Amino acid sequence: NAGVTQTPKFQVLKTGQSMTLQCAQDMNHEYMSWYRQDPGMGLRLIHYSVGAGITDQGEVPNGYNVSRSTTEDFPLRLLSAAPSQTSVYFCASLGEVTRGYTFGSGTRLTVV
Amino acid sequence: AQSVTQLGSHVSVSEGALVLLRCNYSSSVPPYLFWYVQYPNQGLQLLLKYTTGATLVKGINGFEAEFKKSETSFHLTKPSAHMSDAAEYFCAVSGSGGYQKVTFGTGTKLQVIP
Repeated sequence: NAGVTQTPKFQVLKTGQSMTLQCAQDMNHEYMSWYRQDPGMGLRLIHYSVGAGITDQGEVPNGYNVSRSTTEDFPLRLLSAAPSQTSVYFCASLGEVTRGYTFGSGTRLTVV
Repeated sequence: AQSVTQLGSHVSVSEGALVLLRCNYSSSVPPYLFWYVQYPNQGLQLLLKYTTGATLVKGINGFEAEFKKSETSFHLTKPSAHMSDAAEYFCAVSGSGGYQKVTFGTGTKLQVIP
């Protein structure tokens, strides 16, 4: 089924460790983004990309890196995990803006 | 600049009662407006959207919303709540045209009481 695939679904990290959250879409969408979801704060934009080779920061980019080497993939890297990065992370892609986002099922990350 | 305010982080309704979830927005350009639903441990799904044209829009599962420009509102309604409607609902706004950042509200959790 066409959509956005995120891996892993769950992850526990120790403070200071690094990791990459994977996101892939098979809908040929140019626009992709990463959000984090925290209780009472809704979804906050971390980074986004409007096409291969083009990325930009959202409202909470610190501690995260992204790259976009292909249209399909948009990985999110945590450079040195901190407890404040404990959250649920969602990847989303967008084709026509009028159709709205397609979201992945999320990655639940705990940093201890 | 754009923002979304959802009034009420938690709303409880009885099964069969009217569902009303409130959303007000601000946008410096003509907005596109969206409602998303999130069931437990799942991603967000598009429920309905307003882009242009008719201001009353209908979505999945019997939900509808009306764009009221004068009130900068986009409230979500359903005439009769069902147990399966229990979920978290997010209102979102973006600018029109091209790739625009989408700003989400903080969400409203809907509880349906049998």
